[in-house]
Amino acid sequence: TQLLEQSPQFLSIQEGENLTVYCNSSSVFSSLQWYRQEPGEGPVLLVTVVTGGEVKKLKRLTFQFGDARKDSSLHITAAQTGDTGLYLCAGEKKGAQKLVFGQGTRLTINP
Amino acid sequence: GAVVSQHPSWVICKSGTSVKIECRSLDFQATTMFWYRQFPKQSLMLMATSNEGSKATYEQGVEKDKFLINHASLTLSTLTVTSAHPEDSSFYICSAGTGLGRLALLGKRGIEETQYFGPGTRLLVL
Repeated sequence: TQLLEQSPQFLSIQEGENLTVYCNSSSVFSSLQWYRQEPGEGPVLLVTVVTGGEVKKLKRLTFQFGDARKDSSLHITAAQTGDTGLYLCAGEKKGAQKLVFGQGTRLTINP
Repeated sequence: GAVVSQHPSWVICKSGTSVKIECRSLDFQATTMFWYRQFPKQSLMLMATSNEGSKATYEQGVEKDKFLINHASLTLSTLTVTSAHPEDSSFYICSAGTGLGRLALLGKRGIEETQYFGPGTRLLVL
């Protein structure tokens, strides 16, 4: 059973379009992190959300943590080809330092 | 942010041999290190958690006698894949944590992450 369900797992859209990636769970997390990973490299942290209802923006990327701290979303506005990559959400449960990763969303932005 | 290195970045070996992968925290002391495995087009799966000076804690389904983990110092952890077979071919990624939780202060402000990821090691067993 996947603790963190990430959707969609694959997404291919045209440059300039908007998109949203979801990360859902029945469990509560003390924090949730979003990573981006390029082929052959380790994941790079984009953002950490901690407070229920929290919204963080990173240029064209908007991250939201659900009020109950069970889900999160990543919204990209006006996608660019450079946004192509594997996006991973990962949750940290209270008292446990280890992260639980979602399945990942492989995003392809076509020119 | 903090830097974690892995060595080697890629390795090709014959079936039956053992391969050692190193994970180093370069500018901070890592009380905890994590080892992940990632198959092509899949997410990261945690293999084990190692704390400096103690035995590693393995996730369910991970053979501790096959994947030997040593965390002998606060800056180095090693993963040895013993008697490697083709099915062990994968991308192995380590991460290092400060054990201080979010907003850890390492002489730097604004650190929100508890784990810093290495660049990964690609293992191909022939």
